[in-house]
Amino acid sequence: ETGVTQTPRHLVMGMTNKKSLKCEQHLGHNAMYWYKQSAKKPLELMFVYNFKEQTENNSVPSRFSPECPNSSHLFLHLHTLQPEDSALYLCASSQYKTGDYGYTFGSGTRLTVV
Amino acid sequence: RKEVEQDPGPFNVPEGATVAFNCTYSNSASQSFFWYRQDCRKEPKLLMSVYSSGNEDGRFTAQLNRASQYISLLIRDSKLSDSATYLCVVIDNYGQNFVFGPGTRLSVLP
Repeated sequence: ETGVTQTPRHLVMGMTNKKSLKCEQHLGHNAMYWYKQSAKKPLELMFVYNFKEQTENNSVPSRFSPECPNSSHLFLHLHTLQPEDSALYLCASSQYKTGDYGYTFGSGTRLTVV
Repeated sequence: RKEVEQDPGPFNVPEGATVAFNCTYSNSASQSFFWYRQDCRKEPKLLMSVYSSGNEDGRFTAQLNRASQYISLLIRDSKLSDSATYLCVVIDNYGQNFVFGPGTRLSVLP
């Protein structure tokens, strides 16, 4: 496997459900990110993890809960979401502070909250 | 003022046309710059880095003007497959802060 892998690709959930999004990177990067992209809107940074430590939380509602057990895996736990949370959720990884700052994105999870 | 701003678009151009996108950034301490491409309903993918001396990759040329805090992307001889949204990305604070522009949508028409 190569690059950044996200699962599932598509998810439909009710407002009372609990689900998790998974991201795995095979690039040896030390930073991982969650982004939200709503229809016709720019990318919104949600969370940043550097060396497994959360370094940024951009005022994201607590119904989104990230988890980074190691530098290769990142989860986004979802509970009691709202319809306006329907969006494309993108995971990315990068090599932090070593000169190669390019992001590699996963294919994303398209989430629909009903 | 937004941190990164781009031409609002959309740009609709015929095949073979030359098209240029502009991007401005507000943080003069920004260190690294990239152009990403995002196809409809897909993830963004790195198109090219932007260097102070300017750089070219085939039909694509990127320029950086630090004094004016301005980045550009030029696409020559545009192809139908160039249709996508082009995102300007500015990185500062030693890689801690990636800021994406809102994107400019390009449609190349036959």
